[in-house]
This record gives sequence, C-alpha cells and structure tokens, in this order.
Amino acid sequence: KAGVTQTPRYLIKTRGQQVTLSCSPISGHRSVSWYQQTPGQGLQFLFEYFSETQRNKGNFPGRFSGRQFSNSRSEMNVSTLELGDSALYLCASSPYPGSSTDTQYFGPGTRLTVL
Amino acid sequence: AQSVTQLGSHVSVSEGALVLLRCNYSSSVPPYLFWYVQYPNQGLQLLLKYTSAATLVKGINGFEAEFKKSETSFHLTKPSAHMSDAAEYFCAVSDNTDKLIFGTGTRLQVFP
Repeated sequence: KAGVTQTPRYLIKTRGQQVTLSCSPISGHRSVSWYQQTPGQGLQFLFEYFSETQRNKGNFPGRFSGRQFSNSRSEMNVSTLELGDSALYLCASSPYPGSSTDTQYFGPGTRLTVL
Repeated sequence: AQSVTQLGSHVSVSEGALVLLRCNYSSSVPPYLFWYVQYPNQGLQLLLKYTSAATLVKGINGFEAEFKKSETSFHLTKPSAHMSDAAEYFCAVSDNTDKLIFGTGTRLQVFP
C-alpha cells in the first residue's frame, strides 16, 4: 500500500506570493492533518480534515487555509507569504478522526522556502 | 491544556550503550502518548504509542517506553544503541483527536 504522498517536495516562493501544497493520504484513510515544522517553533498543528470538513484548527492566522476533496486528498494554501512561513509542511493521514488506536502516517513533507 | 516536555535537546551515546530519551506530559484527561522518529529530510515515523492498554509499550527497532502516571513520564529507551538510531526523536500527546501536541525534540547522536 502506498504511503502518504506530498507534492511538491520543495518549493521556493517570494514574499507576498501564495502557495498551494498537496497531500494524498493512504488509500482508505479519510482523515488528513497538516503540521508546520520550523527550527524555532517545532512541530505545530495546522488543521485536520475529515469528509471534506475541517474538524480541528490550530493557532495560525487566516492566511493559512485548507480543504479536502471527496477522494480524501487535501490541499493547504498560504496566501501573502511571509519569511516566517519558511518551513517543512507535513501531512498525516489516518483512517478516521480520533484514531488514537490507529496510527497517523506522515508524508515526507514539502519544504517551503520564502525569499 | 496538554503539553509534553522533552528534557535534553541533544543526547549523545556510544554504540552499544543504553539510550534514554526523556518525556514528561501534562494532561487533564487520560493521555494518548506517542514517540516519533525523524531522519534527515524525511517525515515522521511512529516508534510506539501508549493508549492505556499496557504501561510498558514496545515499539519498532528495539525501542520501548514505560508510562508512569505517578511521574507523568513516558521515557523512551533502547538497551543498545546502533549507529542507525541517530535521528531526531519527538514525544507527542493527544486527547483522542488527531491533533498531536509535540515536544521540542531530542537529537540523538551515536558515536562508534
């Protein structure tokens, strides 16, 4: 079974631009979560989607948004990029929300650099 | 609010020595606790998880962790370090949602 895939793997943007990152969960997984990883703030939860609905949201500004499609694939968008948005963005999938007895599987991440 | 604290941002051990990575949690509800490993330029891989079934949890690659409620700890151990264990390790807690609260990570170095 294929793992979580994220595209693109690397991205360079300039301040003020917007970016869209994509995540394809493991087949059969319906819950997708996004995390931001930076050297300064560590791993921080962005949001979680299930059945095309955002179920949970972290403490990030409205410039960060996401969505989930009917096939469970998810995208996250960051508008008006700032230098501080440079980070590794990780996507994780699990069969259902609250799957504490199941494992969240993480993708390899998208490395975003904002110049 | 839930949180985890990882003591020691860097830990160095010799190959064959005991690995001990410390994690203390704070949770107002019975927690679910996890240890993840991250190799350079990769995502996170689950090592093990505690979901109240047993206090001693065995994971992959010879790692294990013991849940101690009285100490609010969930330390990760491995009896004998291998060079391939060099990576960054993250402790995380959740409240039975998919929102994981991560610690700041511990970078493990293994010397020959």
